[in-house]
Amino acid sequence: RKEVEQDPGPFNVPEGATVAFNCTYSNSASQSFFWYRQDCRKEPKLLMSVYSSGNEDGRFTAQLNRASQYISLLIRDSKLSDSATYLCVVITGGGNKLTFGTGTQLKVEL
Amino acid sequence: DARVTQTPRHKVTEMGQEVTMRCQPILGHNTVFWYRQTMMQGLELLAYFRNRAPLDDSGMPKDRFSAEMPDATLATLKIQPSEPRDSAVYFCASGSGQGSYTGELFFGEGSRLTVL
Repeated sequence: RKEVEQDPGPFNVPEGATVAFNCTYSNSASQSFFWYRQDCRKEPKLLMSVYSSGNEDGRFTAQLNRASQYISLLIRDSKLSDSATYLCVVITGGGNKLTFGTGTQLKVEL
Repeated sequence: DARVTQTPRHKVTEMGQEVTMRCQPILGHNTVFWYRQTMMQGLELLAYFRNRAPLDDSGMPKDRFSAEMPDATLATLKIQPSEPRDSAVYFCASGSGQGSYTGELFFGEGSRLTVL
């Protein structure tokens, strides 16, 4: 089993839709969690951190469920510009190891 | 505008040749990561430095890969000899952190390697 797993997608949604991705992790001692966004043939960039109590940034909401060992990303009112691959990142090993999921591809269509 | 700089951006080489990729982290960042990205495996951590000291290179094939930080402004990843299965995009990323790393990673644009 991989340390961090994501549904690769693609998720094809119409503009304005709400879409959610999950990411599961295997190490219960994982400490910190992030969502990164990667556009086609570009480098990954931080989208948002994931806090224990959940957090929101505009149309984006991140949640953490430690009991079930997953994090989620919810995108409301999706835009064409949201089309990208979304990578979850888990920090383990006393803060010394950042592990990326393989990413979930989102395609927002007219 | 501070950014991580990687060279070369693209490299095509023949099997058996030596490949060296270079990375200039953002000034002041004390943590440098090398990742490799392929369609099948996604982003794989190859090596990780803090304050120029290697902390983790368990993800790197030791027989052919080596990573160093000769100074705070330069990180290198070398493959010798290269093989077709090394074809991938190699990303360098830097960040700042003391003790446990919890900060944001800034990625370079990547070095796209093709080994024929």
